[in-house]
Amino acid sequence: EAGVAQSPRYKIIEKRQSVAFWCNPISGHATLYWYQQILGQGPKLLIQFQNNGVVDDSQLPKDRFSAERLKGVDSTLKIQPAKLEDSAVYLCASSLVGTGTGGYTFGSGTRLTVV
Amino acid sequence: SQQGEEDPQALSIQEGENATMNCSYKTSINNLQWYRQNSGRGLVHLILIRSNEREKHSGRLRVTLDTSKKSSSLLITASRAADTASYFCATAKTGANNLFFGTGTRLTVIP
Repeated sequence: EAGVAQSPRYKIIEKRQSVAFWCNPISGHATLYWYQQILGQGPKLLIQFQNNGVVDDSQLPKDRFSAERLKGVDSTLKIQPAKLEDSAVYLCASSLVGTGTGGYTFGSGTRLTVV
Repeated sequence: SQQGEEDPQALSIQEGENATMNCSYKTSINNLQWYRQNSGRGLVHLILIRSNEREKHSGRLRVTLDTSKKSSSLLITASRAADTASYFCATAKTGANNLFFGTGTRLTVIP
């Protein structure tokens, strides 16, 4: 089966600019996650979708980050305006049903550098 | 804060040796999972162990879980250079529907 697709792979922007990341999960996976991974750390959950509804966005900095999953398939994560501390790898993952079985399938991520 | 903490932070071994990584966590869990991350890539799911299980095997991987001590270990036997990667434990907390990742162990296997 095809994996989780993410684009772009790399992005360099100046602070205060905006940026958007795209994710296409594995077909049939109802649950989609966006994680932020700062260099040298483990991934931190930003937002979780179940179909096109938000399940958990408690750690999403809502003043600058937004995400949507229209039609319950693809998802976009946006940062506006970006700060230097947003430099990180943004990982998208999907799973069939929550955390109970089989684990998550991750995309290769988008490496964001804010200068 | 991160749910899990891996130990050691970094580990360097010779090819053919065994590698053991440990994970400690803070709250009750439904299951615990281990992932591998090669440099510059996404995470790959390795193995899942449920809270009512104590040990699980998958190929050269052996995972143990001690819920009384809130800890888990990942053993990779007969390591290969291709095992060089970062390894993360992730916990599915009771009542939550997502995973919390630890800080990771960086494993280097020297050919």
